[in-house]
Amino acid sequence: GQQLNQSPQSMFIQEGEDVSMNCTSSSIFNTWLWYKQEPGEGPVLLIALYKAGELTSNGRLTAQFGITRKDSFLNISASIPSDVGIYFCAGVTGGGNKLTFGTGTQLKVEL
Amino acid sequence: DAGVTQSPTHLIKTRGQQVTLRCSPKSGHDTVSWYQQALGQGPQFIFQYYEEEERQRGNFPDRFSGHQFPNYSSEPNVNALLLGDSALYLCASSLASPDTQYFGPGTRLTVL
Repeated sequence: GQQLNQSPQSMFIQEGEDVSMNCTSSSIFNTWLWYKQEPGEGPVLLIALYKAGELTSNGRLTAQFGITRKDSFLNISASIPSDVGIYFCAGVTGGGNKLTFGTGTQLKVEL
Repeated sequence: DAGVTQSPTHLIKTRGQQVTLRCSPKSGHDTVSWYQQALGQGPQFIFQYYEEEERQRGNFPDRFSGHQFPNYSSEPNVNALLLGDSALYLCASSLASPDTQYFGPGTRLTVL
């Protein structure tokens, strides 16, 4: 099945550093969602974006809905050890609730 | 306010058997979607149920079927299990509109 392209695939950063990751698609989406998944658990919703150009924050997390509606970005400021996990973007097209997920970005934080 | 619940947490089956999964949506939600997540990959959409009917379906064979009950809970079935069906099966609930979906913890299915 189709999956969105996420980069980087994985990153190993120092505690306190800022983190950026992005998600791109060849198709247009009407909604972009960012989830975090930890081992053995389901994805947890972090941020939802509903309009092109929208910039939304949730604590240390900030996400943007790209102007072209084909991409989205997630930034994490001042990373901490509990930020470890896999971050997935997901897009929703008009006319349905089906989520198309990205390939995931695995984040590892070094103390 | 209970979130999305799924049972069982783990299942082990052999090839050719059938399996039934269970999901109760978040309180107030009326739409249930199912996803299959293979190891190391993002979830893949299987199907979605609304008003006790399958509303949308992904690229999965007819071996994958399901139901939604009047209380909005859902039970998908997978028949004639293959080794490749081994995965984490995730249930997500939402309102019919907007699009935000909330996931349960998943059921880990292992097919031997």
